[in-house]
Amino acid sequence: QQQVKQSPQSLIVQKGGISIINCAYENTAFDYFPWYQQFPGKGPALLIAIRPDVSEKKEGRFTISFNKSAKQFSLHIMDSQPGDSATYFCAAKSGNYQLIWGAGTKLIIKP
Amino acid sequence: EAGVVQSPRYKIIEKKQPVAFWCNPISGHNTLYWYLQNLGQGPELLIRYENEEAVDDSQLPKDRFSAERLKGVDSTLKIQPAELGDSAVYLCASSLNKEEQFFGPGTRLTVL
Repeated sequence: QQQVKQSPQSLIVQKGGISIINCAYENTAFDYFPWYQQFPGKGPALLIAIRPDVSEKKEGRFTISFNKSAKQFSLHIMDSQPGDSATYFCAAKSGNYQLIWGAGTKLIIKP
Repeated sequence: EAGVVQSPRYKIIEKKQPVAFWCNPISGHNTLYWYLQNLGQGPELLIRYENEEAVDDSQLPKDRFSAERLKGVDSTLKIQPAELGDSAVYLCASSLNKEEQFFGPGTRLTVL
C-alpha cells in the first residue's frame, strides 16, 4: 500500500514531441505528489509538485495531471528538448512521513 | 545560496574497511535526510533528522551503519565494516518545510 508504481521504465521521444510518464498509488492518505528530475552524477531536483485538491498544475512546459478517483498522476513534458533527457522520479507523501519514490523513468529525447 | 555539500564525491574501499560520508545542508534547513540510491532505482531513505534528533531511522541497518548530526547542522554517515552490497550512491538532502527536498550530488561508493 505504500508503493508508488511508475511507468514506463524508459522512454524515447523525438524532439518537439510530448513525453508522458505515469504513476499510480494505493494509499489514499498521500497528500503531496512531487516529480523530481535527475541528471547523471547529480542528485534529484524538484521539478513540479501537486496536491490532491487540484487536477492539473502547469509550470512552463511541464504539467502534472492528477486523477484522485483513479489514484494516478502523470507528468507531461510538452515540446520535449534534448536537455530534458534525464531520469524522472514521481513520489508521494502523507503528512510528516517519508517520501515514497517511484522506480524512475529514463527519458531520452532524440534530436 | 550554497546548495547541499557532500564529500567525498567518490570513494573506493575494500570490503570490511570502514568509510564515512559527510554532508553540510543548506543553511537554516533543520531537516536532513540520508538516502541510498542503487543504479537505475529511486532513492531509499536511510535516516531522517529533525535538528539533531534522528526521527526516522527504521531503515538504517544498525549493525553496520551509524549516523550523527551532533549540532543539528552537518552530518556524518558511517559504514563499518563495508560489504560488497553497500556499493551505491549515498545522497544527502535537506528541507526547510519537510516537503521540497534539496539534494547534494551524492557520494559514489565502490566496495571491492
